[in-house]
Amino acid sequence: KNEVEQSPQNLTAQEGEFITINCSYSVGISALHWLQQHPGGGIVSLFMLSSGKKKHGRLIATINIQEKHSSLHITASHPRDSAVYICAARNRDDKIIFGKGTRLHILP
Amino acid sequence: DAGITQSPRHKVTETGTPVTLRCHQTENHRYMYWYRQDPGHGLRLIHYSYGVKDTDKGEVSDGYSVSRSKTEDFLLTLESATSSQTSVYFCAISEGTGGLYEQYFGPGTRLTVT
Repeated sequence: KNEVEQSPQNLTAQEGEFITINCSYSVGISALHWLQQHPGGGIVSLFMLSSGKKKHGRLIATINIQEKHSSLHITASHPRDSAVYICAARNRDDKIIFGKGTRLHILP
Repeated sequence: DAGITQSPRHKVTETGTPVTLRCHQTENHRYMYWYRQDPGHGLRLIHYSYGVKDTDKGEVSDGYSVSRSKTEDFLLTLESATSSQTSVYFCAISEGTGGLYEQYFGPGTRLTVT
């Protein structure tokens, strides 16, 4: 079992829909990262969380430390949100463990 | 983008040839990393550096070596490239305070070994 699991692996939705991507981890962490990678593109850091919730524009990230679970939400999704979203857990030894990513496709 | 560049951005090479990838940063970051990204896998750490001439192995270090003779440059060398090393390679740096460190990634290098 991977130490960081994401679901779903692939997600297709219509423009405007509310999107949720989930991340579960099995290690103790100091921080949880959400990253975005557009097709053929580089990797961009969206959020770094150690507790609670963060919001940036239409993106919201939450984390529940007790349940070892984090979610990334996208409100009013748009085709430009189509990308791979990667969850990564930084453990207490400062090692980062990456999930395999969720491929999101938003249809116009 | 934390001032990170990678070169080359694309390379095709033959099996058995040596290859060196360069990561360059302009902001004096102490920690630098090399990852590879392959379909069906998350990003996997190859090697990392915590200062000039201070490097350590990651989870997939076999077949790779690194060097860091200057703060700004972190080199990844494939001594004798194999087809299994066909991948996209990302360099990254860590930046932060108070125990919370963000990772910033370079644009990636697509390497094909034929």
